[in-house]
Amino acid sequence: QKEVEQNSGPLSVPEGAIASLNCTYSDRGSQSFFWYRQYSGKSPELIMFIYSNGDKEDGRFTAQLNKASQYVSLLIRDSQPSDSATYLCAVMVSSNTGKLIFGQGTTLQVKP
Amino acid sequence: NAGVTQTPKFRILKIGQSMTLQCTQDMNHNYMYWYRQDPGMGLKLIYYSVGAGITDKGEVPNGYNVSRSTTEDFPLRLELAAPSQTSVYFCASRPGTSGYEQYFGPGTRLTVT
Repeated sequence: QKEVEQNSGPLSVPEGAIASLNCTYSDRGSQSFFWYRQYSGKSPELIMFIYSNGDKEDGRFTAQLNKASQYVSLLIRDSQPSDSATYLCAVMVSSNTGKLIFGQGTTLQVKP
Repeated sequence: NAGVTQTPKFRILKIGQSMTLQCTQDMNHNYMYWYRQDPGMGLKLIYYSVGAGITDKGEVPNGYNVSRSTTEDFPLRLELAAPSQTSVYFCASRPGTSGYEQYFGPGTRLTVT
């Protein structure tokens, strides 16, 4: 059974701080990793994907991947109240089909 | 482009009833997916399709059926609804080899009582 684990939170940070969200996965053969943001009552939207070891930066967001440790993280710098949402980590377990396994999500609360 | 559309937005079913959740995309994507999301949980894959006429089971297919007769449409059929199927259902699509991102529809909130 391929699994993706996240701390469900809530993770509470003050406005302007760095939020760090973590994810571990069980399938060592996985190649691509995704972070989706989901506001309450809405559908998920992709904010980052990464497939190489190391860091990938996009604006205030940085995804970090360590395949040896089977660990993916998302850093949000200068957190804003509008970043308050649930962040879903997803792992692609088949590049032929695009099948994703999702973690249960981490709820982030950014307090003004 | 409307993207991925789903109907209905909300539905209440009685135990044992059947219904079809509709999903349509206008982006000419080959790959389509159905997920369910229970409260406080991540998404679980029910069925997926890699092109018209081709479907396969995901993690939680029991109690559901799908068909894919056209590239645009990927309906999900619930037969003999049970309370355990109370959930939010999301349809998603992706282009295929030209991109990995899955684009999600707005979801259908289903309650079975």
